[in-house]
Amino acid sequence: QKEVEQNSGPLSVPEGAIASLNCTYSDRVSQSFFWYRQYSGKSPELIMSIYSNGDKEDGRFTAQLNKASQYVSLLIRDSQPSDSATYLCAVRRETNAGKSTFGDGTTLTVKP
Amino acid sequence: EAQVTQNPRYLITVTGKKLTVTCSQNMNHEYMSWYRQDPGLGLRQIYYSMNVEVTDKGDVPEGYKVSRKEKRNFPLILESPSPNQTSLYFCATGTAGNSPLHFGNGTRLTVT
Repeated sequence: QKEVEQNSGPLSVPEGAIASLNCTYSDRVSQSFFWYRQYSGKSPELIMSIYSNGDKEDGRFTAQLNKASQYVSLLIRDSQPSDSATYLCAVRRETNAGKSTFGDGTTLTVKP
Repeated sequence: EAQVTQNPRYLITVTGKKLTVTCSQNMNHEYMSWYRQDPGLGLRQIYYSMNVEVTDKGDVPEGYKVSRKEKRNFPLILESPSPNQTSLYFCATGTAGNSPLHFGNGTRLTVT
């Protein structure tokens, strides 16, 4: 089992819809969770970070964390064509903060 | 401007010819790390450094070396590159602990 797994995608949504991206992780001591966006050929850039259970909202983005279920998600409301990218889920552990593990990514396409 | 600078951006070399990819940051970050990204395999951690003179292996360290003599620099060394090291490489930095990562622009390496 991979340490971080994301829904396989690709995911396609119409413009204005909600895109839902999901991630599960296997290590219960994981402390920090991040969503990065990566455009083709570019470097990953941070979208959201979340550290405690519940929801965290930033503009059109909402991250949701459920540590009991070892699940973290990213919702993108009012999706725009510019949101078309690969989204990477990542976890870091407080006890071994040097290890930062990424999922394989979910590619999102927002169709005008 | 806060930056993580990788050089070169593109590199084509031949099997066995030693090469170094440089990474430099101006954010005074303690933590630096190298990743490689391959289609279908996601981002995989090669080496990381929690501070000057402190380095440790990631998930795929074979065939790579690193050093951290100064806080701002973390070069990746391939002593004898092989074709299976053809990949897109990213340097990333962060504060110690659970902070998100800041990525360089990437180095696309081709070994023939």
